[in-house]
Amino acid sequence: EADIYQTPRYLVIGTGKKITLECSQTMGHDKMYWYQQDPGMELHLIHYSYGVNSTEKGDLSSESTVSRIRTEHFPLTLESARPSHTSQYLCASSESGVRGANVLTFGAGSRLTVL
Amino acid sequence: SQQGEEDPQALSIQEGENATMNCSYKTSINNLQWYRQNSGRGLVHLILIRSNEREKHSGRLRVTLDTSKKSSSLLITASRAADTASYFCATDGNDYKLSFGAGTTVTVRA
Repeated sequence: EADIYQTPRYLVIGTGKKITLECSQTMGHDKMYWYQQDPGMELHLIHYSYGVNSTEKGDLSSESTVSRIRTEHFPLTLESARPSHTSQYLCASSESGVRGANVLTFGAGSRLTVL
Repeated sequence: SQQGEEDPQALSIQEGENATMNCSYKTSINNLQWYRQNSGRGLVHLILIRSNEREKHSGRLRVTLDTSKKSSSLLITASRAADTASYFCATDGNDYKLSFGAGTTVTVRA
């Protein structure tokens, strides 16, 4: 099974609260990603990192922020949660393989509900 | 913006039958990958096909790629109840960012 861990798995919070979704991987992968997924919808890339101290915004605009201070850790923070942030958040990591193929390993996801 | 688009959105088959799903994409790719997602879980990588390949096999999985039509298909042969899941195609444009579609939900009936 994948060596990438997300906590919490489920979180229900009230509007205005600050939350941090944790993501850690033990594979030494240099690249890490956050995707947002709503039921029956495509995955949207919201943040990615190609290494320590490197973070970029993805294709879908998000009010969340990320940091990459250590290779293995890529937390996502929402300063003030709103009901529109209710979604599943998937963390993934990768290491470029032979001839540049980029295969992702995913965590189990964090399902966030904002009341 | 969505790069991969799967068809059909949902598929229900009897155990032992084959399941086929398709993926269309818009821009040139380095490779195309298929992932499986069980309910409430993360995605698991199944198979990768490079842009210069036309067909690839892995166990009961067969993937084809037609770059002229910008489309791919995933065939699962002799389906089992454990194959019940959502299947996503993902395109890799060689920028280390994969673009996923909305997936095909497959239900295998016993």
